[in-house]
Amino acid sequence: DTGVSQNPRHKITKRGQNVTFRCDPISEHNRLYWYRQTLGQGPEFLTYFQNEAQLEKSRLLSDRFSAERPKGSFSTLEIQRTEQGDSAMYLCASSQQGGAKNIQYFGAGTRLSVL
Amino acid sequence: AQSVTQLDSQVPVFEEAPVELRCNYSSSVSVYLFWYVQYPNQGLQLLLKYLSGSTLVESINGFEAEFNKSQTSFHLRKPSVHISDTAEYFCAVSEGTNAGKSTFGDGTTLTVKP
Repeated sequence: DTGVSQNPRHKITKRGQNVTFRCDPISEHNRLYWYRQTLGQGPEFLTYFQNEAQLEKSRLLSDRFSAERPKGSFSTLEIQRTEQGDSAMYLCASSQQGGAKNIQYFGAGTRLSVL
Repeated sequence: AQSVTQLDSQVPVFEEAPVELRCNYSSSVSVYLFWYVQYPNQGLQLLLKYLSGSTLVESINGFEAEFNKSQTSFHLRKPSVHISDTAEYFCAVSEGTNAGKSTFGDGTTLTVKP
């Protein structure tokens, strides 16, 4: 068990560019979550997957955001036409359905800076 | 809908003093409650959790929290803090009937001074 892995750790991009982040969950976990954390606030839920199915999406997830988990293992979060307001820490977490009741294990996050 | 309120954004204390970080939640259904700790430039680490059973839960590094259903609170306490406890602490709630998303408070910055 190597924990939840997120790449890259930091991403600096120019406004209008597209970016993609990757999350590798704990191997036996079938649920995967994406959160966004801005300075001085707690994480805000974006979306979550059970296996490859995307079961819930927050209203925070605008049309410029898309998440996939094609084979029920790793997940990607893509932001198109980035805006300065997208600058934040993007956190991924995973959990095991039927396990210890939704204990989510977090990765170290990807910090996005949009210039 | 569920929400979490952390009543103190910053808590400064001296080393070896006791500390309490306050958390109140609202939910229309049964909940699971969590405290996470976040060190600079790191992800969240689970500190302790209430799922069911005893309302007093403890962590391995001396923190404890008590679930109070009538007051909808889940305050975090430690009788004697160390410099290394300096971090951001987040309270979170997850609905017991839907093992999906968690809702987090805005965090409390605990600063332990020598």
